[in-house]
Amino acid sequence: AQSVTQLDSHVSVSEGTPVLLRCNYSSSYSPSLFWYVQHPNKGLQLLLKYTSAATLVKGINGFEAEFKKSETSFHLTKPSAHMSDAAEYFCVVSDQGGNNRKLIWGLGTSLAVNP
Amino acid sequence: DAGITQSPRHKVTETGTPVTLRCHQTENHRYMYWYRQDPGHGLRLIHYSYGVKDTDKGEVSDGYSVSRSKTEDFLLTLESATSSQTSVYFCAISVGQTNYEQYFGPGTRLTVT
Repeated sequence: AQSVTQLDSHVSVSEGTPVLLRCNYSSSYSPSLFWYVQHPNKGLQLLLKYTSAATLVKGINGFEAEFKKSETSFHLTKPSAHMSDAAEYFCVVSDQGGNNRKLIWGLGTSLAVNP
Repeated sequence: DAGITQSPRHKVTETGTPVTLRCHQTENHRYMYWYRQDPGHGLRLIHYSYGVKDTDKGEVSDGYSVSRSKTEDFLLTLESATSSQTSVYFCAISVGQTNYEQYFGPGTRLTVT
């Protein structure tokens, strides 16, 4: 069965410093992986997705994620944090064991950006 | 913008009353989902639909029912609302041929008093 673990529930960085949000997954299949972002009191927005075409995936707002099969990881990074990056981030894996297109969600990482 | 709307956006209701939330999409997608979001639990799937009149349960379906009589509308009903169903409810659609990313509506904040 597929699962996803976000290793940090809270991350705090200073503006202008790098961001690293960690995600490990478990999948019996070749997974599809996603990162979603949710700003305070807002909806959920797709940040980036792993399509198997390239292991380094670029998303919106300068975020990237690297798929590492050997480590079963899909960590999210950004070279320089901005105040507007403060949000909740979710790592997600698709449930490819069935024909229902369900997604399996991590519990989220809250990112705080300090001035 | 995936063309997904939810109504109402906010609702306060009393324990024991039935409540129906509506999700409407404009792009004729086959798969639709209802989630609830609560602090510390992330997103949890309530029910989903894979076509008109085709629905199935998610991980937290007790106390909820759904209906889909048209491709564009997916209704979530709380048969007899309880305080534990106070939550933010999100509707989503699934797109893509292989990667199945989902796009979300703006959410409905439901408070059961």
